[in-house]
Amino acid sequence: EVQLVQSGAEVKKPGESLKVSCKGSGYDFTDYWIGWVRQMPGKGLEWMGIIYPGDSDTRYRPSFQGQVTISADKSINTAYLQWSSLKASDTAIYYCARPEYNSHTFFYWGQGTSVTVS
Amino acid sequence: QSALTQPASVSGSPGQSITISCTGTSSDVGGYDFVSWYQQHPGKVPRLMIYDVSNRPSGVSNRFSGSKSGNTASLTISGLQAEDEADYYCSSYTLSSTPVFGTGTRVTVL
Repeated sequence: EVQLVQSGAEVKKPGESLKVSCKGSGYDFTDYWIGWVRQMPGKGLEWMGIIYPGDSDTRYRPSFQGQVTISADKSINTAYLQWSSLKASDTAIYYCARPEYNSHTFFYWGQGTSVTVS
Repeated sequence: QSALTQPASVSGSPGQSITISCTGTSSDVGGYDFVSWYQQHPGKVPRLMIYDVSNRPSGVSNRFSGSKSGNTASLTISGLQAEDEADYYCSSYTLSSTPVFGTGTRVTVL
């Protein structure tokens, strides 16, 4: 069974750094893309970026380029989303998600990580 | 890369059919048969309901169907049930080789 398990909720101050994780299991981690999706409070879904753990090929939505870093450690089947300096506007739920056969249709989702910056 | 346009809300009575539209451009919806639809209940994780315009993943009720005409995709829910009350988001692959989500539609079962 494919599972994506994300790290727990975080409460941070503006300017702090943060790295949230997404651990995949039940499949070959290096064979599938993993993406990140933001959902700000009361708002819709926004695609942030995606990584292919097999070769670390990474793509970002332009508005997130330079604001976050997506990475993966295939030795422990884990993808990451990180910030070097958080802003209040980063407050949101962040989901990792995995496509099945392409890079953009998300069949499997993590449970979400709530990030509060205040 | 603007969000695809969806109506803010759609409502229907139990047993009725409703249709949610998702309007983009020739650079996304109109250019590719890679439109997906996601259902999200309040406080829950999104769930894939339709992919590649009209395909249903395993386990999704056949009351959900998708279609596309030009730059507009549609999700139809037939035999509306109380459990269908949720937010629905479309998504499309784009010319930038990345996907874009729609603005979201709140479905209310009257």
